[in-house]
Amino acid sequence: DGGITQSPKYLFRKEGQNVTLSCEQNLNHDAMYWYRQDPGQGLRLIYYSQIVNDFQKGDIAEGYSVSREKKESFPLTVTSAQKNPTAFYLCASSLGGGLGLRNTEAFFGQGTRLTVV
Amino acid sequence: DAKTTQPPSMDCAEGRAANLPCNHSTISGNEYVYWYRQIHSQGPQYIIHGLKNNETNEMASLIITEDRKSSTLILPHATLRDTAVYYCIVNSGGSNYKLTFGKGTLLTVNP
Repeated sequence: DGGITQSPKYLFRKEGQNVTLSCEQNLNHDAMYWYRQDPGQGLRLIYYSQIVNDFQKGDIAEGYSVSREKKESFPLTVTSAQKNPTAFYLCASSLGGGLGLRNTEAFFGQGTRLTVV
Repeated sequence: DAKTTQPPSMDCAEGRAANLPCNHSTISGNEYVYWYRQIHSQGPQYIIHGLKNNETNEMASLIITEDRKSSTLILPHATLRDTAVYYCIVNSGGSNYKLTFGKGTLLTVNP
């Protein structure tokens, strides 16, 4: 079945440690996204990538890093520089990211809940 | 991208139609209106989108006003499983293609 997979579902880390969240899709989508969601809040965009080997900062990129070496993978690293890393992280993908491909929907993974203690 | 305004919460009786409004008064001609929903602790799910014509699919109907400054998502026969946060998003694509989610509307379907 085609879809987008995030792992793990729950993740615990000690303060000061870097941690990498996995996101894989087999939908052949060009665009991928990372969002953060805090309790009672909407989604905030961290990073997005429209094509392999290219990515752009979203609204809250500080303390995060990403890579897009393969079309199907877009891992997110939460670094020790991120002041409040405990949150629900969502990855998404969509077919197009450029002109002429606006009317496409995004598919979301089930999220990773990161807790830093 | 244009911003959207939605009521923070709404209630609906099971079996009745749920009508969720969204204002997007600064929408431009090339921007689509998208609706997603998020059930608690899950990833958002796409529902429907449109440009200027009304749209219907197996999940919902989308009514966009003629001036495109507002829209309404209609769930014709709400069930308890439709309880979720519903997000209205306006997106134009292009070189800055990205989805911007606000706080949405928490729809509670009551038995």
